Amino acid sequence: SQTIHQWPATLVQPVGSPLSLECTVEGTSNPNLYWYRQAAGRGLQLLFYSVGIGQISSEVPQNLSASRPQDRQFILSSKKLLLSDSGFYLCAWRPTVQGRWSPLHFGNGTRLTVT
Amino acid sequence: AQTVTQSQPEMSVQEAETVTLSCTYDTSESDYYLFWYKQPPSRQMILVIRQEAYKQQNATENRFSVNFQKAAKSFSLKISDSQLGDAAMYFCAYRSAGRGGADGLTFGKGTHLIIQP
Repeated sequence: SQTIHQWPATLVQPVGSPLSLECTVEGTSNPNLYWYRQAAGRGLQLLFYSVGIGQISSEVPQNLSASRPQDRQFILSSKKLLLSDSGFYLCAWRPTVQGRWSPLHFGNGTRLTVT
Repeated sequence: AQTVTQSQPEMSVQEAETVTLSCTYDTSESDYYLFWYKQPPSRQMILVIRQEAYKQQNATENRFSVNFQKAAKSFSLKISDSQLGDAAMYFCAYRSAGRGGADGLTFGKGTHLIIQP
């Protein structure tokens, strides 16, 4: 069966520090991968998605970047965190074989607090 | 761009009763998919139910069913026989079916469902 791992679960970082959140999927190949952010009192905002190694689409211009160095690995990064980067970050995947009918499967999320 | 609106920030229902959560969306596309996700206090996002826009029949999953009104662009979720474990944030989401549209889901802001024992 497929599983998604996301870490760390919680992170407290000072303003101006770098960020690296990692997500890996097991039990499938060539998944579509996604990073979402959930700010307090708001819905989920799509940040990046990837349909293959090295292929990244950015939905919202901002202080963050994403990379996909391996088929089942998706990394969210920042060189210098801002206070506004605080939030709950969710990684998700879906199988490509089912087309767009397939739902997203989410990781457990990372709660990021920038101080 | 598509938008999803959930007009009820919070809903409360007595245990064992029925509750309906509303969702409307704005799109110019004719083919798309709609989803309801549940986010309990653990914050894990869990798929509740999904609907294909070209299917007239409303989707059902056990105690969960939808009322899909394509012309009105409405996609409400009905929870029957509410249970304490149903307490969560519920998010409505949209995805374009076309290749040119964004691949990710567009989410509403959510409805916080409270179950009164």
